[in-house]
Amino acid sequence: DIQMTQFPSTLSASVGDRVTITCRASQSIRSWLAWYQQKPGKAPKVVIYKASNLQSGVPSRFSGSGSGTEFTLTISSLQPDDLATYYCQQYNSYPYTFGQGTKVEIK
Amino acid sequence: EVQLLESGGGLVQPGGSLRLSCAASGFTFGSYAMTWVRQAPGKGLEWVSTLTGSGGSADYADSVKGRFTISRDNSNNWLYLQMNSLRVEDTAVYFCAKSATGNSQSSNDYWGQGTLVTVSS
Repeated sequence: DIQMTQFPSTLSASVGDRVTITCRASQSIRSWLAWYQQKPGKAPKVVIYKASNLQSGVPSRFSGSGSGTEFTLTISSLQPDDLATYYCQQYNSYPYTFGQGTKVEIK
Repeated sequence: EVQLLESGGGLVQPGGSLRLSCAASGFTFGSYAMTWVRQAPGKGLEWVSTLTGSGGSADYADSVKGRFTISRDNSNNWLYLQMNSLRVEDTAVYFCAKSATGNSQSSNDYWGQGTLVTVSS
């Protein structure tokens, strides 16, 4: 199975800060990676698919990069609405594993 | 508008069975793979199972293989998860989700609100 390691596990930043979350795969997943945002008590919502593609309707302050084993999710200017837990997920091969999540807090 | 609505969750004893349902609307159901993802209380997301649009091919997490069965009714736009031999560690909110593209190697662009399964004596 492919292991997905995400860091940091918690991140505290101020409104307007640039924020980066990293996800590392235990083997190459090419670009088959998605990032999901989950707000408390809600279902996850896809933010980025295929490593770097912005999902329709998602603000352009979100961006994704990487391929192979190392990926990043960047929020260019953190907003209060971005308070959430973010998960990466590989869909290169079954089982489609998730990272353990990064909780983003607003200072 | 795409809508996914799960039902069937509840309290069940260890060793028991439960069938979850997911009613889909707003898209051509049979053209998309569908997935179940679960989340234990206070924990992260865990992929459970994915079924192709035709229903011809399914994959499962090792943690549920042999105990859970995913299926679908493309005539009536339903997705199911039959859960047998339930364990305490199966306690979670179960989400159904739609694949964003026509094949199963895809992110999930729409999710239901989830249904809670509690396995306890």
